[in-house]
Amino acid sequence: QVHLVQSGAEVKKPGASVKVSCKPSGYTFTAFHIHWVRQAPGQGLEWLGRINPNSGGTNYAQKFQGRVTMTRDKSISTAYMDLSRLTSDDTALYYCARGLENSWLDPWGQGTLVTVSS
Amino acid sequence: QSVLTQPPSASGTPGQRVTISCSGGSSNIGSNTVNWYQHLPGTAPKVLIYSDYQRPSGVPDRFSGSKSGTSASLAISGLQSGDEADYYCAAWDDSLNGHVVFGGGTKLTVL
Repeated sequence: QVHLVQSGAEVKKPGASVKVSCKPSGYTFTAFHIHWVRQAPGQGLEWLGRINPNSGGTNYAQKFQGRVTMTRDKSISTAYMDLSRLTSDDTALYYCARGLENSWLDPWGQGTLVTVSS
Repeated sequence: QSVLTQPPSASGTPGQRVTISCSGGSSNIGSNTVNWYQHLPGTAPKVLIYSDYQRPSGVPDRFSGSKSGTSASLAISGLQSGDEADYYCAAWDDSLNGHVVFGGGTKLTVL
């Protein structure tokens, strides 16, 4: 069975950075993209970007270019999403998800709550 | 403002059939397939429909998807109280080096 397990909740101050991890199991880590999606309180789903765990190649949403970095460590089959220069608008639940053909996302991780507060 | 447009809310009574629309453009729905997600409070989103109309194993055939041109629809028949959730459409968009776009979400209420 395929699972994606994310790191725990984070509380950060404005201007800081946060790094969230995502560890899939149940399939070959390098075979599928890992996507990152967030949901701010009361808002809808918002795509941040994706990484190809095999090549390390990335696509980022234009809104987050320059502020988001997605990486992976093939030796421990883990993907990471680093978001810098945090503001209160970045307070959200962050999800990773496996990307299948035509970018349908399945399954999703359990979500990581990132709270930005002074 | 979302690239894909969905109605913010929809409702129906148990047993009814409801439809949720999703409107996009030539760079997303018009040239790529549409996926639909169900998001229940306190849980991770779950794919309901992929590649316009395909259902993953385990998703009841009460859920169906369709697409025409730059618009897509999700239909739910035999509405149940457990279907009360937020529903999102999504598609790959070929502009700006490629990215995924989501609809704003539709909150379905079962009356």
